[in-house]
Amino acid sequence: KQEVTQIPAALSVPEGENLVLNCSFTDSAIYNLQWFRQDPGKGLTSLLLIQSSQREQTSGRLNASLDKSSGRSTLYIAASQPGDSATYLCAVNFGNEKLTFGTGTRLTIIP
Amino acid sequence: NAGVTQTPKFQVLKTGQSMTLQCAQDMNHNSMYWYRQDPGMGLRLIYYSASEGTTDKGEVPNGYNVSRLNKREFSLRLESAAPSQTSVYFCASIGYLGEKLFFGSGTQLSVL
Repeated sequence: KQEVTQIPAALSVPEGENLVLNCSFTDSAIYNLQWFRQDPGKGLTSLLLIQSSQREQTSGRLNASLDKSSGRSTLYIAASQPGDSATYLCAVNFGNEKLTFGTGTRLTIIP
Repeated sequence: NAGVTQTPKFQVLKTGQSMTLQCAQDMNHNSMYWYRQDPGMGLRLIYYSASEGTTDKGEVPNGYNVSRLNKREFSLRLESAAPSQTSVYFCASIGYLGEKLFFGSGTQLSVL
């Protein structure tokens, strides 16, 4: 079964620190991977999309990497701010029409 | 540009009642999806439509039906609501497989 795992489920970090969120998946034959942000009571917003042929994508203070051979992706957030507090989810497309989601990491940035 | 619009935002049903959740996108996307989100279980796919006129079951289709009315609209129907269907429901759409997925703001459904 194709599965996506995110550990830890929750993370608290002081403001200003750099941090890394983890995502692992069971099948290396992926089509692409997306990182999403979800604020409480809101929908999901796509942050970064990495195609299977890419190693990383960057947007502002965010950098996502992809290592298919080890079944891992990381989301790096530089110089964290209180506004970064949210739940971050990764989703993998294993080559069909559907995305498989991890359960997310709830991030709290402490001022 | 509204993106993906879901209605209603909140709904309370009694066991056995029926209702339809509406979803519309204005991005000319081909594929549309219905997910449910439950604490500790992440997002689970209920049904999806890869193109106008087609629908397929996802991971948790039991108790639901869908209709892809046209390219813009994809509705989810609960024929006889059960307490186990209490959840937050999200509609999403995508143009092509290699593009970003766009979500609606969700429907909070409680079944008493």
